[in-house]
Amino acid sequence: NAGVTQTPKFRVLKTGQSMTLLCAQDMNHEYMYWYRQDPGMGLRLIHYSVGEGTTAKGEVPDGYNVSRLKKQNFLLGLESAAPSQTSVYFCASCAGIQFHEQYFGPGTRLTVT
Amino acid sequence: AQSVTQLGSHVSVSEGALVLLRCNYSSSVPPYLFWYVQYPNQGLQLLLKYTSAATLVKGINGFEAEFKKSETSFHLTKPSAHMSDAAEYFCAVSSGGYQKVTFGTGTKLQVIP
Repeated sequence: NAGVTQTPKFRVLKTGQSMTLLCAQDMNHEYMYWYRQDPGMGLRLIHYSVGEGTTAKGEVPDGYNVSRLKKQNFLLGLESAAPSQTSVYFCASCAGIQFHEQYFGPGTRLTVT
Repeated sequence: AQSVTQLGSHVSVSEGALVLLRCNYSSSVPPYLFWYVQYPNQGLQLLLKYTSAATLVKGINGFEAEFKKSETSFHLTKPSAHMSDAAEYFCAVSSGGYQKVTFGTGTKLQVIP
């Protein structure tokens, strides 16, 4: 049982390049989330999903897209990376509406130059 | 709307001393409250949670927190700090659907030998 895993762990992009971050969970959780963490700002919600095939915008969705084609995977895409997207990205999952604990992945450190 | 304020971005305590990390919340409905811990270069791990049961909540590693509705507070305490407690701590609140969680900006705890 690996919990929540994220791929890749580190990435450096040039401005304008695109990439996809992969989050996978093996706990059969319904809800999944993408956050970004920046110094002094805590974690901010980018997008979330309440089930396979669904996605919704969070607090800071601009410049990102997501997809949840399979229940266990939640993909975060950057179509045209900008330096402002330099951050640490965390994926999390939660079992469902009656549960409250979110389980976090180890993070992806992204630098956009 | 929901929000969390953590007082003090950095807290230093001596090994063996009391740990007190402060958190105040704002929520229009009865909230669920959480404390997470983040060790360097890792994801967040749940320390404890309040979900409208007992107001004094005990968590892992000897930490506990007390929900005080009148003060809108959920401070984290530990009677005796250990070197391994050095980490960043995040208070979080959830009062909406889909377990969307709002995080505070974090408090870095330093333990001095």
